[in-house]
Amino acid sequence: EAQVTQNPRYLITVTGKKLTVTCSQNMNHEYMSWYRQDPGLGLRQIYYSMNVEVTDKGDVPEGYKVSRKEKRNFPLILESPSPNQTSLYFCASTPSLARAGDTQYFGPGTRLTVL
Amino acid sequence: QKEVEQDPGPLSVPEGAIVSLNCTYSNSAFQYFMWYRQYSRKGPELLMYTYSSGNKEDGRFTAQVDKSSKYISLFIRDSQPSDSATYLCAIGGSGGSNYKLTFGKGTLLTVNP
Repeated sequence: EAQVTQNPRYLITVTGKKLTVTCSQNMNHEYMSWYRQDPGLGLRQIYYSMNVEVTDKGDVPEGYKVSRKEKRNFPLILESPSPNQTSLYFCASTPSLARAGDTQYFGPGTRLTVL
Repeated sequence: QKEVEQDPGPLSVPEGAIVSLNCTYSNSAFQYFMWYRQYSRKGPELLMYTYSSGNKEDGRFTAQVDKSSKYISLFIRDSQPSDSATYLCAIGGSGGSNYKLTFGKGTLLTVNP
C-alpha cells in the first residue's frame, strides 16, 4: 500500500531534549516536505527536499533541522525543543518536481507537546 | 497582504445544501490551485486541482478558478454528513518555487443530518 508513515504519532517531551520525528514513504517520490499545523495559522512549510542530499528552508525553519540521506526517509530533528514548537506535524511527499500540482501525499501526523 | 486568505468559518449547513468555500490570493504568478480535505485527526488529502481559470467538476465537487480576480472556489452539491471536515485551499507554482505550496488556514465545515 502506498503510504507516508510518521513516528511517533504522539510525543510529550521537555524543553531542550533533542528529538527526531521520522518520515518514510514507499512510493519512490523525489520531493518531500515537513509542515506544522497550528490553530488559526493553518499549514506552514518547515523544510522541503527536492531529492537525496538536497534540502531547503520553507516558511518557518527556525529551530528545526532535516536530512535526506535516502530517498525514502526525511527525518525532522529538533535539537533543542521549546514550548512554541508544540504543534501537529505532517510529512508529505510528491512524485516529482515537474508540477507542484502533483498530489502531495500526507502522513498521519505527529502531535508534539513540549513542556 | 497575506499570500492566501481563507475564511476559517466554521460553516454549518443542513444535509443536501450546496456549500461554497472560497480563497483569495495575492500573487498573480501562482499557477496551480488545489483543494485538500482534512478529517479530524488525519492528514490532508487532495480533493481537486486545476492549472487554469475556469471550472473543473468531479462528482459532487466543482472547483472554480478566476485568475483575473485571484479568487478560487470549491462547491459541494448535495452535501452529506461525510463531507464534514476542514477544507484547505493550496496554491503554488510561483516563479522559481514551482514546487512550493502555500495553504489557506482552512474552513471547518459541518453538514448536519
